[in-house]
Amino acid sequence: NAGVTQTPKFQVLKTGQSMTLQCAQDMNHNSMYWYRQDPGMGLRLIYYSASEGTTDKGEVPNGYNVSRLNKREFSLRLESAAPSQTSVYFCASSEVGYTIYFGEGSWLTVV
Amino acid sequence: TQLLEQSPQFLSIQEGENLTVYCNSSSVFSSLQWYRQEPGEGPVLLVTVVTGGEVKKLKRLTFQFGDARKDSSLHITAAQPGDTGLYLCAGLNTNAGKSTFGDGTTLTVKP
Repeated sequence: NAGVTQTPKFQVLKTGQSMTLQCAQDMNHNSMYWYRQDPGMGLRLIYYSASEGTTDKGEVPNGYNVSRLNKREFSLRLESAAPSQTSVYFCASSEVGYTIYFGEGSWLTVV
Repeated sequence: TQLLEQSPQFLSIQEGENLTVYCNSSSVFSSLQWYRQEPGEGPVLLVTVVTGGEVKKLKRLTFQFGDARKDSSLHITAAQPGDTGLYLCAGLNTNAGKSTFGDGTTLTVKP
């Protein structure tokens, strides 16, 4: 019953540091996504991957990079963290047109 | 960019009252989904509507998809404190292979 698993759950970074958020899904979904959610707001798409080997920019890709390592795993990298990237990050997976399953979120603070 | 506007942004009501949340767009979507998110967790799917004019009921929740597939509403009858949460609508564009989320409606139901 794992579904979508993302790590770490909490992270504090200093401005300029780099880090990678890891995500894995065990539902054999083709599509995977990374969203960010700021306080009191909805979800904004950072990057998505429609299938293994492909990635595309979403609404807010600047400052991020992604890697679709295989069908299960989709990582998000912050090369040089900025305070504006303080947010909650959600990884998700789905088949197109069907339910989007979300991970539990990663709380990132950049100081 | 396809935009989804949700209203109201915040709603605070007493237990037993009825409420309606709206999700509007100028774009046509292949389908529309409603999610509910509780604090500290990822969103969870409530319903998917696909056909223009479609109405779906889930216990005290009634979902409607507009005839033109550009808007949707969520009506809750006799709200309970357990309904408290963030309600998000998401429009799917099959051709783009991804969903667009609204900014959400934060519902608080007071006992």
